[in-house]
Amino acid sequence: NAGVTQTPKFRVLKTGQSMTLLCAQDMNHEYMYWYRQDPGMGLRLIHYSVGEGTTAKGEVPDGYNVSRLKKQNFLLGLESAAPSQTSVYFCASSYHGPGLAGGNEQFFGPGTRLTVL
Amino acid sequence: KQEVTQIPAALSVPEGENLVLNCSFTDSAIYNLQWFRQDPGKGLTSLLLIQSSQREQTSGRLNASLDKSSGRSTLYIAASQPGDSATYLCAVRYTGNQFYFGTGTSLTVIP
Repeated sequence: NAGVTQTPKFRVLKTGQSMTLLCAQDMNHEYMYWYRQDPGMGLRLIHYSVGEGTTAKGEVPDGYNVSRLKKQNFLLGLESAAPSQTSVYFCASSYHGPGLAGGNEQFFGPGTRLTVL
Repeated sequence: KQEVTQIPAALSVPEGENLVLNCSFTDSAIYNLQWFRQDPGKGLTSLLLIQSSQREQTSGRLNASLDKSSGRSTLYIAASQPGDSATYLCAVRYTGNQFYFGTGTSLTVIP
């Protein structure tokens, strides 16, 4: 199993450009998450999804959009990139089911380092 | 906003020493708590997950405890090794679907 994978690994954008980050998981997890990690701020949740076709806002959703058309994929879009969106972006997924077995444990991808000039 | 605090921000110990990392949270009504390690430039690796009904979890040289009433979790690392050098993060989940992360403790184990 590949686990959680992210594409691309690195990207440099100019202010105003758009891009889409792709997250894929092969663990059949229902829940998927997008975080950003900034120095001194910890990880902050951008958007998340509790199943195919669903999305919800996290702590810092402004400037981002997401889509979950397939269970295994979760896309994060930046329509008009700003320098404040320079960050490392992590995708995660988790299983949610009855009982304690593996419940809610998050698995992370390797991250995408984005620089907006 | 839920607050998760990890103190100290950095810790340096000689190889072989036992050590404790701390995680504090403001709201005791947690659903579960997860400990991760992050190596420089890498993603997060899950270490231990503690459900709200549990008091501790163990994996090899690692032991995590949870005290909801005091709003604390500790990660105990026995017989530290240079390979344990990394940043350790805790994340708290409440009854919603969001996890709240601390800013981490950067651990250096000196050979």
